[in-house]
Amino acid sequence: QKEVEQNSGPLSVPEGAIASLNCTYSDRGSQSFFWYRQYSGKSPELIMSIYSNGDKEDGRFTAQLNKASQYVSLLIRDSQPSDSATYLCAVNNAGNMLTFGGGTRLMVKP
Amino acid sequence: GAGVSQSPSNKVTEKGKDVELRCDPISGHTALYWYRQRLGQGLEFLIYFQGNSAPDKSGLPSDRFSAERTGESVSTLTIQRTQQEDSAVYLCASSLYGTGIGNEQFFGPGTRLTVL
Repeated sequence: QKEVEQNSGPLSVPEGAIASLNCTYSDRGSQSFFWYRQYSGKSPELIMSIYSNGDKEDGRFTAQLNKASQYVSLLIRDSQPSDSATYLCAVNNAGNMLTFGGGTRLMVKP
Repeated sequence: GAGVSQSPSNKVTEKGKDVELRCDPISGHTALYWYRQRLGQGLEFLIYFQGNSAPDKSGLPSDRFSAERTGESVSTLTIQRTQQEDSAVYLCASSLYGTGIGNEQFFGPGTRLTVL
């Protein structure tokens, strides 16, 4: 069973702080890693993808990948109340579908 | 450009009826996926289409579920003899390529199915 694990939260951070979201995966053959944001009642929206070890930055978002530790993280700098959502980690092992974690609910308090 | 579209946005049906859900992928995307998301739960893979290849049906939960896609265009997911446990949001996604590194999948708005 290929698994992707996330802490369900909620993770509560004050406005302006850094939110750190974590994800571990079981399949060492995994090659592509994605972070999706899902607002309540809406569909997942792709916000970051990462394929190589290290950091990848896009605006306020930084994705971090450590294949040796089978660990992916997402940092959100200067968190805003509008960032409050569920963040889904998804992993692809060069197969056809994505395996999703259960998601971490983030709450940014004004 | 236009994103993935799905119809209907909501569907309420009675137990035992058949339903058909539609997905229109992003133009030029060769791969199309169906997922299911039950209330408060994660996404479950259902089926995958890549060009004219045989679909990957490994995620379909029972033989009541089937899907079709003509070429690289619209797909329909059919659920026969619906049961209450079929109630969920059915999400369609498409990607430019189906395999290999990358394969970013973009989701449609989903169809919320309620079986009474």
